[in-house]
Amino acid sequence: EAGVAQSPRYKIIEKRQSVAFWCNPISGHATLYWYQQILGQGPKLLIQFQNNGVVDDSQLPKDRFSAERLKGVDSTLKIQPAKLEDSAVYLCASSDSKDSPLHFGNGTRLTVT
Amino acid sequence: EDKVVQSPLSLVVHEGDTVTLNCSYEVTNFRSLLWYKQEKKAPTFLFMLTSSGIEKKSGRLSSILDKKELFSILNITATQTGDSAVYLCAVEDNYGQNFVFGPGTRLSVLP
Repeated sequence: EAGVAQSPRYKIIEKRQSVAFWCNPISGHATLYWYQQILGQGPKLLIQFQNNGVVDDSQLPKDRFSAERLKGVDSTLKIQPAKLEDSAVYLCASSDSKDSPLHFGNGTRLTVT
Repeated sequence: EDKVVQSPLSLVVHEGDTVTLNCSYEVTNFRSLLWYKQEKKAPTFLFMLTSSGIEKKSGRLSSILDKKELFSILNITATQTGDSAVYLCAVEDNYGQNFVFGPGTRLSVLP
């Protein structure tokens, strides 16, 4: 089965610019997650979708971050405007049901200068 | 707030050594504990543990969960340089498939 696809792999932007990341989960996986992983730390959940509805976005900095999953398949995560502390790897993951593990994409490494 | 603590945070061993990585957790309504291996890219799934005392094995790796004491260990025997990675522990709650990750243990295996 094809894995979780993410693009771009790398992105370098200046602070106050905007950026968008894309994720296509494993086919049939209803639950999609975006995690932020700062260097040296574990992944931190930003937002969780179940189909096209938001399950948990309590840790999403909503003044600058937004995410959507309009048709319940692929998803985009946007940052506008970016700050230096947003430099991190943004991981997308999907899962098909409870009792199933998360499957991760290769991530997007964002550097904000 | 759910919390996952891993120890040690960093470990350097030589090939052939056996290592034990620790994960302790606090979660309101526990469902499962997962171990992942992260090299340069995506974390890859190793084990999912739901029941106490039942060891899961895959080659030289094994893991066990203690739900009474709220911890898990990941053992790697006869380590190889290819085992060098960050090992992440995560717990899933029983509400909405919410996974909380620990900071990881960075393992370096020297030849």
